Amino acid sequence: NAGVTQTPKFQVLKTGQSMTLQCAQDMNHEYMSWYRQDPGMGLRLIHYSVGAGITDQGEVPNGYNVSRSTTEDFPLRLLSAAPSQTSVYFCASSYSGGRADSPLHFGNGTRLTVT
Amino acid sequence: AQSVTQLDSHVSVSEGTPVLLRCNYSSSYSPSLFWYVQHPNKGLQLLLKYTSAATLVKGINGFEAEFKKSETSFHLTKPSAHMSDAAEYFCVVRTLAGGYQKVTFGIGTKLQVIP
Repeated sequence: NAGVTQTPKFQVLKTGQSMTLQCAQDMNHEYMSWYRQDPGMGLRLIHYSVGAGITDQGEVPNGYNVSRSTTEDFPLRLLSAAPSQTSVYFCASSYSGGRADSPLHFGNGTRLTVT
Repeated sequence: AQSVTQLDSHVSVSEGTPVLLRCNYSSSYSPSLFWYVQHPNKGLQLLLKYTSAATLVKGINGFEAEFKKSETSFHLTKPSAHMSDAAEYFCVVRTLAGGYQKVTFGIGTKLQVIP
């Protein structure tokens, strides 16, 4: 099984550019989420989804959009990149089914630099 | 409100000595608790989880954690540190209330293992 696959691994953008970070999972997980990791701040939730067609905001949603048209894919869109969005982004998925005890499975991350 | 406090941002131990990484949490609901490990430039890997069964939980690579409800703690231990344990460790709380999932990460503890 591939698990959670994120692309690209690295990306450099100029301020104002837009791009989409891709995330795909092959475990039939209902729950998918995006985090950003910054030094000394742990992981902060950007957006999450509990199933196809259902998304919601996390702790730091501003400047990011998501959609969930299929169970497998959960892309993260940066509408107009800013230097403050320089970070490492992780996608994670898990079973949901109304339970909180399923562990999150993480992708290997996308390192984004905005100049 | 839900929160996770990792009491040490850095821990340094000698190879072969015990490891203790401390985590305290607060939650209004019955939590599931997890420890993840992140090696440099890698994604997060699940070490172990507590989900209201046994309070002493054994994980991979010789790690274990004890859930103490009275102290709202979930400290991670290992009897003898190995060089390969050098990494960053995250304590995570996950709850489900009213159909709403909430996942909270600690800010992480960097473990240094001295030869």
